[in-house]
Amino acid sequence: AQTVTQSQPEMSVQEAETVTLSCTYDTSESDYYLFWYKQPPSRQMILVIRQEAYKQQNATENRFSVNFQKAAKSFSLKISDSQLGDAAMYFCAYKPLVNKLVFGAGTILRVKS
Amino acid sequence: NAGVMQNPRHLVRRRGQEARLRCSPMKGHSHVYWYRQLPEEGLKFMVYLQKENIIDESGMPKERFSAEFPKEGPSILRIQQVVRGDSAAYFCASSSSGSSYNEQFFGPGTRLTVL
Repeated sequence: AQTVTQSQPEMSVQEAETVTLSCTYDTSESDYYLFWYKQPPSRQMILVIRQEAYKQQNATENRFSVNFQKAAKSFSLKISDSQLGDAAMYFCAYKPLVNKLVFGAGTILRVKS
Repeated sequence: NAGVMQNPRHLVRRRGQEARLRCSPMKGHSHVYWYRQLPEEGLKFMVYLQKENIIDESGMPKERFSAEFPKEGPSILRIQQVVRGDSAAYFCASSSSGSSYNEQFFGPGTRLTVL
C-alpha cells in the first residue's frame, strides 16, 4: 500500500527566513504525481506545488520549491522569504495513476514576526 | 466560475440520526472525490464517482456510508445512524476528467459534529 510520511508534526520559521518541510513516500509505481497542499485555519485545501515523477527537474512556484529525490522517495518543500500568511498546516500528497490522493499527516508551520 | 461548493458547512447531528453532505463540482467537472479528515490527521480517501457511477469506493466504511452522483444535481455523501466517531471534516474535490494528472479542486469542507 502507498503511504506518505511527514515526520515533522510542527515547524517554526522566522519571517523572511527559509524553511524546509520533509516528506517521504512509499510506492512500487514508477509513474505518479506528488503535491504539497496548504490548509489555513479556514480549512480550505490550497494546492501549493506539484511534481510529475517522470520529470527530473524540481518544480518551482515563486517562493515555493521542491527537492524531489525519486530514488530516495523523498519530496521536501522549501519556502523562501517566509511570510506571516504562510502559517498553516501543510500536507504532502501522493497520487498514483488511479486518481485518489494519499495524504500525509501534515506539518503545522508557524511563522514568527 | 464558481469553485467546488459544499453544503452545509457545519452540520450537527445526534447519535443515530442521518447526515447528508452535498457537493457541487466545478462547472464542467464530472469527477468527484470524497475525503474525510479526522481531528489532527490528514485527509483520507473515501470514494471516487463519475456521473451515475461509483468508480472506486475502497476507502468507504462497509456499513452506514453511501455516496451517489446522479445525472442531475450534486453528489451526496450519506451517513446513516451516525456515531461520535463520524465527527470529522468531509471534503469533496472535483476534476474535469479521470486522466491521471488532472488536478483535483477542493471544496471548503463540511464539518460534521455528532453529539
